[in-house]
Amino acid sequence: DQQVKQNSPSLSVQEGRISILNCDYTNSMFDYFLWYKKYPAEGPTFLISISSIKDKNEDGRFTVFLNKSAKHLSLHIVPSQPGDSAVYFCAASAGTALIFGKGTTLSVSS
Amino acid sequence: DTGVSQDPRHKITKRGQNVTFRCDPISEHNRLYWYRQTLGQGPEFLTYFQNEAQLEKSRLLSDRFSAERPKGSFSTLEIQRTEQGDSAMYLCASSSAPTGAWETQYFGPGTRLLVL
Repeated sequence: DQQVKQNSPSLSVQEGRISILNCDYTNSMFDYFLWYKKYPAEGPTFLISISSIKDKNEDGRFTVFLNKSAKHLSLHIVPSQPGDSAVYFCAASAGTALIFGKGTTLSVSS
Repeated sequence: DTGVSQDPRHKITKRGQNVTFRCDPISEHNRLYWYRQTLGQGPEFLTYFQNEAQLEKSRLLSDRFSAERPKGSFSTLEIQRTEQGDSAMYLCASSSAPTGAWETQYFGPGTRLLVL
């Protein structure tokens, strides 16, 4: 039973356009959400996070939106760059351990 | 570079052998985590230390797995009598957060284990 779901295995976007990656969760105890980026053969790299008391957090080209009533969060990347091509993982926490989705592979073409 | 480091980066072993991995967290991070990632999945939590105390273990952590953090700094993860199903990327993460605060975990590069 997956508590964190990333329903789109892949996403293709043109350079300069917006990339929107989605994530749904089922556990209402989650109070902190994170996005990680992962290249092959490397560990996940932290991108951005949001706590449950906020509905938006922005850091440069990256913005995360949280809709608690829908148990949904999204990561927006604007503008997308070829170097953004990687696997993006959504993760949620209710205290210590992170629960991850299966990831979305983003491909940004120039 | 003062990030999380893991050693070795790759390990090939035969079924039934024991293996040990090491993780050095970011300096002064009091929390250390082990995760396992298999192909097509996100990382899955295995165990967690606060300083030298092992506070939480996943049901994924069978009796063949043991982890230590003897002085509250580096940690080791040992797998005894390896099985082919143990083949995976083993990830270490560390964090530092006051009690009750939201924490961000920073990951190392991982150790890729292949059991033949």
